[in-house]
Amino acid sequence: AQSVSQHNHHVILSEAASLELGCNYSYGGTVNLFWYVQYPGQHLQLLLKYFSGDPLVKGIKGFEAEFIKSKFSFNLRKPSVQWSDTAEYFCAVNNNNDMRFGAGTRLTVKP
Amino acid sequence: DAGITQSPRHKVTETGTPVTLRCHQTENHRYMYWYRQDPGHGLRLIHYSYGVKDTDKGEVSDGYSVSRSKTEDFLLTLESATSSQTSVYFCAISEAQANYGYTFGSGTRLTVV
Repeated sequence: AQSVSQHNHHVILSEAASLELGCNYSYGGTVNLFWYVQYPGQHLQLLLKYFSGDPLVKGIKGFEAEFIKSKFSFNLRKPSVQWSDTAEYFCAVNNNNDMRFGAGTRLTVKP
Repeated sequence: DAGITQSPRHKVTETGTPVTLRCHQTENHRYMYWYRQDPGHGLRLIHYSYGVKDTDKGEVSDGYSVSRSKTEDFLLTLESATSSQTSVYFCAISEAQANYGYTFGSGTRLTVV
């Protein structure tokens, strides 16, 4: 079965710092890739998704992610984080309707 | 946000009792999913449905059953609740298969004592 690994369990940054959250997956076939965000006490919301084409995907709230097929990676980035970005971030990989989620990375942004 | 609601939002129940969680959607989406969220595990699929009366198991289906008698409703039943089923349960919907991503409900926090 495919698996999804998120390298960082908890990341703490100061406002205006740059962010990169790692995501690697194990499946070698054609996949669709997603990043979701979960603000405290809320449900998951879709940040961005990749299906095909340009491997650099731009999402909402200034987030972007780059698909590197050779590295089986889909890392999430943001040039300058804000306090309001404090949340948990989940990477997800879908292959043939088998969607798998990573364990999540908790991001804390200090004002 | 898409019209997807879960009920109840919170529930405390005793070990050994049956519990049913409800997911209701107003989007007429074909696919519906039940996940549980636990620290360190992310989200794990319990069951999903690809149409009325069409359901299938996910990776953590033991101890759970589902039913979908109408497009808009997807019920998750814990046949005999155990403490290991204490979790936050999320329902999700998608118009097509998972390729396009999901829309999630607000979750049900279930505590089994």
